[in-house]
Amino acid sequence: QKEVEQDPGPLSVPEGAIVSLNCTYSNSAFQYFMWYRQYSRKGPELLMYTYSSGNKEDGRFTAQVDKSSKYISLFIRDSQPSDSATYLCAMRRGSGAGSYQLTFGKGTKLSVIP
Amino acid sequence: DAGVTQSPTHLIKTRGQQVTLRCSPKSGHDTVSWYQQALGQGPQFIFQYYEEEERQRGNFPDRFSGHQFPNYSSELNVNALLLGDSALYLCASSQRQSLLRVANVLTFGAGSRLTVL
Repeated sequence: QKEVEQDPGPLSVPEGAIVSLNCTYSNSAFQYFMWYRQYSRKGPELLMYTYSSGNKEDGRFTAQVDKSSKYISLFIRDSQPSDSATYLCAMRRGSGAGSYQLTFGKGTKLSVIP
Repeated sequence: DAGVTQSPTHLIKTRGQQVTLRCSPKSGHDTVSWYQQALGQGPQFIFQYYEEEERQRGNFPDRFSGHQFPNYSSELNVNALLLGDSALYLCASSQRQSLLRVANVLTFGAGSRLTVL
């Protein structure tokens, strides 16, 4: 079993839809949770990060972490064609060995259709 | 702000050859990490450099080696290339102090796409 599981999609939605992306993980040592967006032929860019469980909102984006279920989500409201990209979840330990390396999911390819 | 710059953008090598990829971190960043992203996969951590030393290493063989220079720039070297080394190699930089306080706020470059024939 991989440490981080993410459905690779592809996911296709109409413009204006609410998008739900999620990841599950198996390592209970993960404390920091991040979502990166990667456009074609570009490097990943950080969208949001959260520490431990809870919600965080930033504009049209909401990140949720449920450590008890080892499940994280990213919601995109009022999706736009410019949101079309691959979304990668990533996580890392809080301290100790390996605490500075990120473990990524496979990424979910999202297409928002005008 | 130039962000993280990587070179070359694309390169093609044959099996058994050696390759060197280069990275200049974002201004103000002192830590460089390298990731390998195979097609259709998420990035995988190779290693991290800080103060010119390898600080952490992922599950990659010794064929993968690196270096960090006094100006914080870095190189990734891969020897005895295999077909399976074909991937996008991403460099990411950060400030060491930010790693200690908050989430790993990495800035990624656009990557170097390596094709091994």
